Amino acid sequence: AQSVTQLGSHVSVSEGALVLLRCNYSSSVPPYLFWYVQYPNQGLQLLLKYTTGATLVKGINGFEAEFKKSETSFHLTKPSAHMSDAAEYFCAVREEEYGNKLVFGAGTILRVKS
Amino acid sequence: DTGVSQNPRHKITKRGQNVTFRCDPISEHNRLYWYRQTLGQGPEFLTYFQNEAQLEKSRLLSDRFSAERPKGSFSTLEIQRTEQGDSAMYLCASSLGVTDTVVGELFFGEGSRLTVL
Repeated sequence: AQSVTQLGSHVSVSEGALVLLRCNYSSSVPPYLFWYVQYPNQGLQLLLKYTTGATLVKGINGFEAEFKKSETSFHLTKPSAHMSDAAEYFCAVREEEYGNKLVFGAGTILRVKS
Repeated sequence: DTGVSQNPRHKITKRGQNVTFRCDPISEHNRLYWYRQTLGQGPEFLTYFQNEAQLEKSRLLSDRFSAERPKGSFSTLEIQRTEQGDSAMYLCASSLGVTDTVVGELFFGEGSRLTVL
């Protein structure tokens, strides 16, 4: 079965600094990979996804992620953090069984300091 | 608003009581998922429907849990004889499934937070 590991349960950056949230996955088949963001007391919102094709994927709010098969990674980056980026971020992999079921990592809380 | 709607948003109950949550998916979506999220964890899959058929249930879904989607539209998740360990956020998501392997993005509701005293 697929699994997802997010390194660092909390990440703190200064406003304007680079954001890097790490995600590694395990999958026996080519994965579909996702990043979701969750603001307090809200549901999950899709930031970006990788299915096939270009390995550098751009998402909303200036975020992007690169699929690296050799490293089984799908790290999320943003060149310049904004205060509004403070939230919890989840990496997910689609289960190989049918149904588009997602397996999520434990999440990384991003704090942005002014 | 045409997104996924969940209610109630918050439920506080005493141990041993039954609770029911409702999810209204995006109208044209034929797939509906329930997830549970506890503090410090990512969402964990509970069950999934395609139209009215419940196709998969997680081992997390004990016999105290039951989910239905009677007409392939809204869904309910009932927890009987609640325990303190059931305290969590229950998330619903829906998607449009074209085929078994071609599916659309999952859209999540805002969740129903359960507190069992």
